Amino acid sequence: SSELTQDPAVSVALGQTVRITCQGDSLRSYYARWYQQKPGQAPVLVIYDKNNRPSGIPDRFSGSSSGNTASLTITGAQAEDEADYYCNSRDSSGNHPLFGGGTKLTVL
Amino acid sequence: QVQLVESGGGLVKPGGSLRLSCAASGFTFSDYYMSWIRQAPGKGLEWVSYISSSGSTIYYADSVKGRFTISRDNAKNSLYLQMSSLRAEDTAVYYCARDLQSFDPWGQGTLVTVSS
Repeated sequence: SSELTQDPAVSVALGQTVRITCQGDSLRSYYARWYQQKPGQAPVLVIYDKNNRPSGIPDRFSGSSSGNTASLTITGAQAEDEADYYCNSRDSSGNHPLFGGGTKLTVL
Repeated sequence: QVQLVESGGGLVKPGGSLRLSCAASGFTFSDYYMSWIRQAPGKGLEWVSYISSSGSTIYYADSVKGRFTISRDNAKNSLYLQMSSLRAEDTAVYYCARDLQSFDPWGQGTLVTVSS
């Protein structure tokens, strides 16, 4: 199918580790990318090509993938990590980008 | 630094048209694919269209195919989205983004509201 599925909401205690997942058949063929979006701001790329961080992204953010599931892990979540997180990949044709529905992360 | 700035959003009636622009700076615009991505109020991200570096390859989401046209002017470092036959469901913030298979960076977005 040409869909990416994310849990709508996840919470984590300050300083703890949280995993945000993204499921879709296309993830067996194409890398997942992850974006962070804070209220009123444009999305920011945090992980690309499964587990690469753009310059300026803290190393507490990491990515992984297995089968049809990609994961974004935040190790030692900070208050400033509270945001919406979106996964992104391609559809089965490879020609159309897809986004997951987003996961709202709350840091308690 | 790499920067993208969208403009052209506004209020338009159903069935109307609007042209969005995206001004790029800080990188060699003509080397990169570019995309438009939108976000309806309170909703998630939806890819709209992309265009190759030369403009020879273009794809659209099914939701906008036949109504929207993406184009670029590499001499002006600019990306465009011509939107016609607009519907209420096209109401969204429209972002342009450099497309390296991952989208980075994004502009600040421009709001398009389709309402009578």
